[in-house]
Amino acid sequence: DAKTTQPTSMDCAEGRAANLPCNHSTISGNEYVYWYRQIHSQGPQYIIHGLKNNETNEMASLIITEDRKSSTLILPHATLRDTAVYYCIVAPETDSWGKFQFGAGTQVVVTP
Amino acid sequence: KAGVTQTPRYLIKTRGQQVTLSCSPISGHRSVSWYQQTPGQGLQFLFEYFSETQRNKGNFPGRFSGRQFSNSRSEMNVSTLELGDSALYLCASSYQSPHTDTQYFGPGTRLTVL
Repeated sequence: DAKTTQPTSMDCAEGRAANLPCNHSTISGNEYVYWYRQIHSQGPQYIIHGLKNNETNEMASLIITEDRKSSTLILPHATLRDTAVYYCIVAPETDSWGKFQFGAGTQVVVTP
Repeated sequence: KAGVTQTPRYLIKTRGQQVTLSCSPISGHRSVSWYQQTPGQGLQFLFEYFSETQRNKGNFPGRFSGRQFSNSRSEMNVSTLELGDSALYLCASSYQSPHTDTQYFGPGTRLTVL
């Protein structure tokens, strides 16, 4: 399975866009990119996922490069409640959640 | 609808004891997965149950076991507890499988082994 590389931490000003990078240079053609986040003392929360096209939902946008070797999660207007650890996961098309490997993630701190 | 619930939320045990944790998935969800989260190892997959059958298992010793009941509620058991088993144990549920469904996590059970 492909692995991901994320920065250890990032700071972001409240109200500004937060751009979280993820490198997955060994991704295979049938592997999806998923993003989750975990707010302190809570379970992880699904944010968004995509295969090759850019995706947007009410929480965030996911931009995947044309070669699919990297992606960026964009939180358009960060709030203090977005402070969390953000996980980028690459997973194949599978019938089991066991293929989802959570790495160390990026600790994002949103400051006033 | 109600989210994933886990009981108890906090637990203190001593080495050598055993412990059973419970997870109630979102109504209608048939897949329940368990994870262990520690500061050193991060979030690690333990096992997944779907319709009472174990669908996948992570790389944990046999002391860790689980089961799922016909109402999709799940339990995990850890026997002969070790200090290193101190962790946050998370349960997650989904209707069926990845890519078509979203996985929802519970708040976790914080286990401390003394």
